[in-house]
Amino acid sequence: AQSVTQPDIHITVSEGASLELRCNYSYGATPYLFWYVQSPGQGLQLLLKYFSGDTLVQGIKGFEAEFKRSQSSFNLRKPSVHWSDAAEYFCAVGSQGGSEKLVFGKGTKLTVNP
Amino acid sequence: ETGVTQTPRHLVMGMTNKKSLKCEQHLGHNAMYWYKQSAKKPLELMFVYSLEERVENNSVPSRFSPECPNSSHLFLHLHTLQPEDSALYLCASSPGHGTDTQYFGPGTRLTVL
Repeated sequence: AQSVTQPDIHITVSEGASLELRCNYSYGATPYLFWYVQSPGQGLQLLLKYFSGDTLVQGIKGFEAEFKRSQSSFNLRKPSVHWSDAAEYFCAVGSQGGSEKLVFGKGTKLTVNP
Repeated sequence: ETGVTQTPRHLVMGMTNKKSLKCEQHLGHNAMYWYKQSAKKPLELMFVYSLEERVENNSVPSRFSPECPNSSHLFLHLHTLQPEDSALYLCASSPGHGTDTQYFGPGTRLTVL
């Protein structure tokens, strides 16, 4: 069965600084990978996803993520963080073939200092 | 309305009450999900419905009873809940079940007294 690890529970960055959120997955085959964002009291919004093809994926709100098979990673990046990016970020992994459920990481809470 | 909607957004209930959570999706999807999100825990998948049939039940206590009358609506009936059931309950839908992209509603914040 697949699993997801988000090593950082909480990250604080200054507005305008760059951001990288880490995600490592465990899965025997090529996975489907997702990043979701959750603002306080809200549901999860899809930021981006990787199914196949180009390993650098562009998403909404200026986010991107890179799939690195050799490192079993799918880290989320943004070159310049805005105060409105403060939220919780979840990485998720699923299996290609679509027969298994999505597995979510525990999330990384992002605080943005002015 | 567009996307996935959930009502009510907040619910406070006693342990002896019976209440229901409602989810509606306006995306033409075939699969719907209930998740439980508790503080400091990963998202827990509770139920999956595909084409109105339950395809997954993740060992959820019987005090939670799902209902999917059609592919656009999903309910979660609650009865004799415990305080530890207090959480954010999220509904999601996807084009097919499994690992298609899931689209989430805003959630119902449930407090059990």
